[in-house]
Amino acid sequence: EIVLTQSPATLSLSPGERATLSCRASQSVSSYLAWYQQKPGQAPRLLIYDASNRATGIPARFSGSGSGTDFTLTISSLEPEDFAVYYCQQRNYWPRTFGQGTKVEIK
Amino acid sequence: EVQLLESGGGLVQPGGSLRLSCAASGFTFTSYAMSWVRQAPGKGLEWVSVISGSGDTTKYADSVKGRFTISRDNSKNTLYLQMNSLRVEDTAVYYCAKDHYSSAWAYAFDIWGQGTMVTVSS
Repeated sequence: EIVLTQSPATLSLSPGERATLSCRASQSVSSYLAWYQQKPGQAPRLLIYDASNRATGIPARFSGSGSGTDFTLTISSLEPEDFAVYYCQQRNYWPRTFGQGTKVEIK
Repeated sequence: EVQLLESGGGLVQPGGSLRLSCAASGFTFTSYAMSWVRQAPGKGLEWVSVISGSGDTTKYADSVKGRFTISRDNSKNTLYLQMNSLRVEDTAVYYCAKDHYSSAWAYAFDIWGQGTMVTVSS
């Protein structure tokens, strides 16, 4: 099973700051990685698919990069609504697996 | 509007059974694989199972293989998850989720239901 390790576990930032979240795979998943945002009590929302493609309706401040084993989700300037938990997910191998999540909290 | 609506969750004893349903609307249901993803209280996301658009192919996580069965009724635009031999560790919110691409295979999940809570406890 592919293990996705997200870092840091918690990121404490202020609105307007840049957020950089990391996801590392235990073996190469090519570019087959997605990112999701989840707020308390809500279902996850797809942000990025295939490493760098923004999903429909996702603001341009969200961007994804990487391939192989190392991936990054960048939020260029944090808005108040961006404070949430973020998960990565790979689709290169069965079973599909998620990272353990990074919480972006208000500093 | 594209929408998924789960139902069927509840409290069940260890060893018991439960069937979850997910009613889909606003898209061509038969064109998309559908998955179940669960989230234990305070924990992360775990993919559980996927079924092809036609319903003839399925895959499962090892943690539920042999106990859970995914199915769909394309005439009713409804996805199901039959859960047997339930364990305490199956306690979670269960989400149904639509694949982002048509004819994909649990690639990425662009539409999620609101979730239904399953509690396994004596």
